[in-house]
Amino acid sequence: AQSVTQLGSHVSVSEGALVLLRCNYSSSVPPYLFWYVQYPNQGLQLLLKYTSAATLVKGINGFEAEFKKSETSFHLTKPSAHMSDAAEYFCAVSDLDDYKLSFGAGTTVTVRA
Amino acid sequence: KAGVTQTPRYLIKTRGQQVTLSCSPISGHRSVSWYQQTPGQGLQFLFEYFSETQRNKGNFPGRFSGRQFSNSRSEMNVSTLELGDSALYLCASSIASGPSTDTQYFGPGTRLTVL
Repeated sequence: AQSVTQLGSHVSVSEGALVLLRCNYSSSVPPYLFWYVQYPNQGLQLLLKYTSAATLVKGINGFEAEFKKSETSFHLTKPSAHMSDAAEYFCAVSDLDDYKLSFGAGTTVTVRA
Repeated sequence: KAGVTQTPRYLIKTRGQQVTLSCSPISGHRSVSWYQQTPGQGLQFLFEYFSETQRNKGNFPGRFSGRQFSNSRSEMNVSTLELGDSALYLCASSIASGPSTDTQYFGPGTRLTVL
């Protein structure tokens, strides 16, 4: 079964600093990969997804992620953090025709003024 | 276009009771998935429905069941509630292919507390 591991349950960054959230997947075949964000008391919102097209994927709110097969990684970055980026971020993986997402444990981002 | 709606938003039940949660997908979406979110176990897949058929089911006991109606609305039921069932239950919908490639749109969730 596909799975993802998110390194670091909490990340604290200064406003304007780089945001880097790490995600590694376990699969010998490139899966479909996703990053979601969850704000307090809300559902999840898709930031971006990789479905075997371009390895550098651009998403909403200035986020992007790079698929690296050699490292089985799909790390999420944003060049300059904003206070509104404070939330919990989830990496997720799926196989085609699996009809489900398997989520990582999540990384909580706090942004310092 | 209205988003995914879930009712009720909050629910308090006691052990042994049963509960039914409802999810209305975005208009035109035919795939509905359910997830359980807890601090200890994180986000776990419950089941996915498409055209009233369950296509995949997560590793949950038979007390957890679901169904989908012809209008794509979905319900999930938990019987004989246990304290460990306290969680945020999230519903997500997508257009057709399902969660693997389609963008899934999540509802705000139903917060279930079991006393």
